Amino acid sequence: DSGVTQTPKHLITATGQRVTLRCSPRSGDLSVYWYQQSLDQGLQFLIQYYNGEERAKGNILERFSAQQFPDLHSELNLSSLELGDSALYFCASSATDYGYTFGSGTRLTVV
Amino acid sequence: GQSLEQPSEVTAVEGAIVQINCTYQTSGFYGLSWYQQHDGGAPTFLSYNGLDGLEETGRFSSFLSRSDSYGYLLLQELQMKDSASYFCAVRDLNQAGTALIFGKGTTLSVSS
Repeated sequence: DSGVTQTPKHLITATGQRVTLRCSPRSGDLSVYWYQQSLDQGLQFLIQYYNGEERAKGNILERFSAQQFPDLHSELNLSSLELGDSALYFCASSATDYGYTFGSGTRLTVV
Repeated sequence: GQSLEQPSEVTAVEGAIVQINCTYQTSGFYGLSWYQQHDGGAPTFLSYNGLDGLEETGRFSSFLSRSDSYGYLLLQELQMKDSASYFCAVRDLNQAGTALIFGKGTTLSVSS
């Protein structure tokens, strides 16, 4: 157990639907990062939150949004889902700039 | 922009030594990190080089040359369990935050 908890582990949904992925960071970590990993692709940075505030945005689609709550857990909302959104979505937390702790990921399948 | 290049695949046999190279292009630099990911699993942090030179952690070592914009991960005494993807990463300086951008990964296959 890395200390970063992601739920659900698997999600199957239809095109056009909306889903919410949840992440609880490691105790004491204020930064939460979301990454998308498609088949045979590397890790694509989506968004970072730090202590409840959005800190940086990467290649995040307008259909996607995220937030971090006062208890530091974070949610990634994906809407108007398309087949191409099928991927592994990872959450990571960190106390340093380089050493992330990743959760086990949510495997999203859009059918 | 920023980019990282690493080989897509490397193969080796048990007990051997393998080196995975990473070259990067960034407008600034805050160090090079390495992560391991087993198939379908979570990436795990292996090593970080903020300064030039070699960092050793057990069977794994990582090297950085900032003047050459180059680093490598060295895996010694390879074991079957080392079969995984390995990613180098640098801090994304185009962002105000501390996000890492990752290379596309090198798949290491270790055979007996």
